[in-house]
Amino acid sequence: DSGVTQTPKHLITATGQRVTLRCSPRSGDLSVYWYQQSLDQGLQFLIQYYNGEERAKGNILERFSAQQFPDLHSELNLSSLELGDSALYFCASRPGTVNTGELFFGEGSRLTVL
Amino acid sequence: KNEVEQSPQNLTAQEGEFITINCSYSVGISALHWLQQHPGGGIVSLFMLSSGKKKHGRLIATINIQEKHSSLHITASHPRDSAVYICAVTLNQFYFGTGTSLTVIP
Repeated sequence: DSGVTQTPKHLITATGQRVTLRCSPRSGDLSVYWYQQSLDQGLQFLIQYYNGEERAKGNILERFSAQQFPDLHSELNLSSLELGDSALYFCASRPGTVNTGELFFGEGSRLTVL
Repeated sequence: KNEVEQSPQNLTAQEGEFITINCSYSVGISALHWLQQHPGGGIVSLFMLSSGKKKHGRLIATINIQEKHSSLHITASHPRDSAVYICAVTLNQFYFGTGTSLTVIP
């Protein structure tokens, strides 16, 4: 158990819909990272938050947004869903920002868009 | 353009063999990560390196910053080591290799 909790574990929805994925980091970790893993593109970095503020951005589509709340949990919002958004979405946490220790990953949220 | 290249893509080994997985990268980095992903999908961080060498049990990771290259070694491999091993580099954002799928046969 990494201490990082992601919900839901599985989600099936239709094209055009909007979903929210939730991540609770390990106790005390200030940084939350979101990643997408699809069969054709592998793992991709989406976005990082540190203590409520966006810190780094990767290949995140404009249809996707995220935020980190004062209690440090984070949500990834995916809207106008397309078939290609079907993927595993992971979050990870660490105490600080760059080079501040190992990343701890949640078990992922598997999104299927039909 | 792939910022991170891993080799080999697939690897089958007999139990007990010494295994090496290589990672080369083309961008400036602050750290390199080795990750392990089992068939169930969960990801575990094995190492974070910014220089030199680290060892955890039977796993050893090395990095050569000048050559932009890292290796992950597994000594005395075991079937439970069967997994996908992913190299990732980071500066402000992360770049991932495509992974090496390792199968260790008893």
